Amino acid sequence: QVQVMESGGGVVQPGTSLRLSCGAAGFTFGTKGFHWVRQAPGKGLEWVAVISFDGSNEYYGDSVKGRFTISRDRSRNRVFLQMNSLTAADTGVYFCAKDVGPAVAGLSSYYFDSWGQGTLVTVSS
Amino acid sequence: SYVLTQSPSVSVAPGETARITCGGNNIGDRRIHWYQQSPGQAPVLVVYDDRDRPSGIPERFSGSNSANTATLTISRVEAGDEADYYCQVWDDDTTQVVFGGGTKLTVL
Repeated sequence: QVQVMESGGGVVQPGTSLRLSCGAAGFTFGTKGFHWVRQAPGKGLEWVAVISFDGSNEYYGDSVKGRFTISRDRSRNRVFLQMNSLTAADTGVYFCAKDVGPAVAGLSSYYFDSWGQGTLVTVSS
Repeated sequence: SYVLTQSPSVSVAPGETARITCGGNNIGDRRIHWYQQSPGQAPVLVVYDDRDRPSGIPERFSGSNSANTATLTISRVEAGDEADYYCQVWDDDTTQVVFGGGTKLTVL
């Protein structure tokens, strides 16, 4: 059974950093891309970033480009989101989502077949 | 950047058919995917590649995509279908995933 689980959320002050972690099980980790998607309180879904199956490609949403970095550790079956220079606008639930494919341009449809339950990030002074 | 437009809300009576639309420039040329999100829950994929259903999703859920509008159709609506629904595409030009703003389905 496929499982995706986020951790690392919390309350942080503006201007600081936070690293989220996503663990995965129940499938061959090294063959799938992963995404981070966030949802501000009472708002819709906003895509944050994607990393390809082998970590060779990363793409980001405009609102986080240059501040957030997605990465993966094949040995630990984990995906990470390093978030720097956080502002109140970054507050929300962050979901880790498994891509149906390798998340490689030209080979993938880039959609999500498994999601974690989310981890809440609150940026507040 | 590519924009997907959804109506904020749709209301239907139980047993009726709900149609949730997603508008975009020449969206019919793209593959569109739909997610259902119940309150406090993670989204669930209900339709992918315009019209295909993941295993476990009832046949009552169907999709279509043509010209400038994609449609998620839910037949014989049940109370449990009440949720927010989001359309999604991949934009090759910007190398970004794009979500629609979401549609809240209310079952009267």
